[in-house]
Amino acid sequence: DQQVKQNSPSLSVQEGRISILNCDYTNSMFDYFLWYKKYPAEGPTFLISISSIKDKNEDGRFTVFLNKSAKHLSLHIVPSQPGDSAVYFCAASGGGYQKVTFGTGTKLQVIP
Amino acid sequence: GAGVSQSPRYKVAKRGQDVALRCDPISGHVSLFWYQQALGQGPEFLTYFQNEAQLDKSGLPSDRFFAERPEGSVSTLKIQRTQQEDSAVYLCASSFSRAAYNEQFFGPGTRLTVL
Repeated sequence: DQQVKQNSPSLSVQEGRISILNCDYTNSMFDYFLWYKKYPAEGPTFLISISSIKDKNEDGRFTVFLNKSAKHLSLHIVPSQPGDSAVYFCAASGGGYQKVTFGTGTKLQVIP
Repeated sequence: GAGVSQSPRYKVAKRGQDVALRCDPISGHVSLFWYQQALGQGPEFLTYFQNEAQLDKSGLPSDRFFAERPEGSVSTLKIQRTQQEDSAVYLCASSFSRAAYNEQFFGPGTRLTVL
């Protein structure tokens, strides 16, 4: 039972354009959502998070949007840079507990 | 070092061997997590420690998997009688407090290959 789903395994975007990575979840208990970025042979690195009481959180070039009614969140990267090329994992937790459930990841390639 | 470290980085085991994977969390971090990441998948939760107490081991796939953190710092994940399906990257993460919604800092992982 995949509670956090990233339906696009890969995405290619031209440098300078917007990258939009999508994520859907099924568990209504989730109330905190995170995006992690992973380079090969390294562990995931925290990128940005959002609580369910918000619908948007912004940090520099990165913005996460949350649509609770649709159980959907997205990560926008503007403008995209070649160094953003990595695998991006959507993750969720809930119930005041630190256990995190990850999606399967989306591999982003930013083309110079 | 400032980050989470794991050793060994790579481990090759023959089926049936026992293995032990080590995690050194960031100094002072209360919470420690183990995850298993199969090829092409996201990390999957295995177990969680708060200091030396193992509060959740619901993700351990079988009784061949055992984790400990006896002094509340370094942790070891042990897999007995390894099977081919145990081949994966094992990730360790730590976070500063026991409060929910704290960022988890990940180590580089140990890639286990069972032949």
